[in-house]
Amino acid sequence: KAGVTQTPRYLIKTRGQQVTLSCSPISGHRSVSWYQQTPGQGLQFLFEYFSETQRNKGNFPGRFSGRQFSNSRSEMNVSTLELGDSALYLCASSSQGGENTIYFGEGSWLTVV
Amino acid sequence: SQQGEEDPQALSIQEGENATMNCSYKTSINNLQWYRQNSGRGLVHLILIRSNEREKHSGRLRVTLDTSKKSSSLLITASRAADTASYFCATAPSGNTPLVFGKGTRLSVIA
Repeated sequence: KAGVTQTPRYLIKTRGQQVTLSCSPISGHRSVSWYQQTPGQGLQFLFEYFSETQRNKGNFPGRFSGRQFSNSRSEMNVSTLELGDSALYLCASSSQGGENTIYFGEGSWLTVV
Repeated sequence: SQQGEEDPQALSIQEGENATMNCSYKTSINNLQWYRQNSGRGLVHLILIRSNEREKHSGRLRVTLDTSKKSSSLLITASRAADTASYFCATAPSGNTPLVFGKGTRLSVIA
């Protein structure tokens, strides 16, 4: 069974630009969660989608948004990039989400210059 | 805010020694999970312990849970250089809320 796939793996963007990250969950998983990881803040929860509906949302500004498609694939978008958005963005999938075990992709490294 | 906090922040041991990491959390939970992250990679699930369990084993891993103290420990026995990684505990305050991770313990196993 293929794992969680995230693309792109690495990217560099300029302040003010926007970025879209993609996540393909494990086949059959309906829940997709996104986390931001930085050295200072650790792993911060962004949002969770379950069957195309946003079920949970973390404490991030509206510049951070996401969506989930009918095939459970998910995208997250960050608009008007700031230097502080530089981070490893991790996607995780699970069959039910919430408190259940989640399976992470390798992440997308975003550098904002 | 962090639900779980790992202790110590960093740990350095010799190969063959045991490594113990601790996690404290704030609210009641249904389960607690431990994950490992190799540098710059995604997290890998190690073990899940339910609130009605006190101890669980998986290979060289031993996890304990004390719900009265809201704490858990992860013991890695006979550590290997390949165990070098960051270890995170994760909990969820209730069933449909997302997992919240601590800041992790960085383990270095020196050959």
